[in-house]
Amino acid sequence: DAGITQSPRYKITETGRQVTLMCHQTWSHSYMFWYRQDLGHGLRLIYYSAAADITDKGEVPDGYVVSRSKTENFPLTLESATRSQTSVYFCASSEGRADTQYFGPGTRLTVL
Amino acid sequence: GDSVTQMEGPVTLSEEAFLTINCTYTATGYPSLFWYVQYPGEGLQLLLKATKADDKGSNKGFEATYRKETTSFHLEKGSVQVSDSAVYFCALSVGNTGGFKTIFGAGTRLFVKA
Repeated sequence: DAGITQSPRYKITETGRQVTLMCHQTWSHSYMFWYRQDLGHGLRLIYYSAAADITDKGEVPDGYVVSRSKTENFPLTLESATRSQTSVYFCASSEGRADTQYFGPGTRLTVL
Repeated sequence: GDSVTQMEGPVTLSEEAFLTINCTYTATGYPSLFWYVQYPGEGLQLLLKATKADDKGSNKGFEATYRKETTSFHLEKGSVQVSDSAVYFCALSVGNTGGFKTIFGAGTRLFVKA
């Protein structure tokens, strides 16, 4: 299906475990983004990517790792999950750097 | 630094009431301004945007005008419906040679009662 998808939609894990959230887009957009959404904080940018093999930190990158070997995929890895990383994670993509962003449906992650 | 400030919610209105959600911004460059809407259980989707001063964005009965003199981008709708119940986010994107950023406001939750 065309668009932007995220998997899994829901994930429960334990403190210290590694977790990878997947994001896939079919538009060949250059830019991709990872945000977390928490009550009282709105959306905060974790990492973004301008193209394959080009990534950069956002506002809250600590504890997260990203990669982008292919234009269409932008996985987000929590190397050692902590309770403070319990959140809803959104992936987004855009054609240009300041253009409209298209969001995936989100992944609700709970770290016990 | 660059920032977006939205009115706090929740906002509760009766159906057919007039809606205003205030948004003001600070930016060092010449930002593009956006309103996104998030329905329950979904990701954000673009509602409308404006890319330069005095532009008016509009969609689904919602409007917002880019006011550079007051650094504002207030969202308005003349007659809200129950289906407009959602969270609304104001955002700006600004780029320069040092990089670019998109900044979202904290969101304003709207409840519309039948």
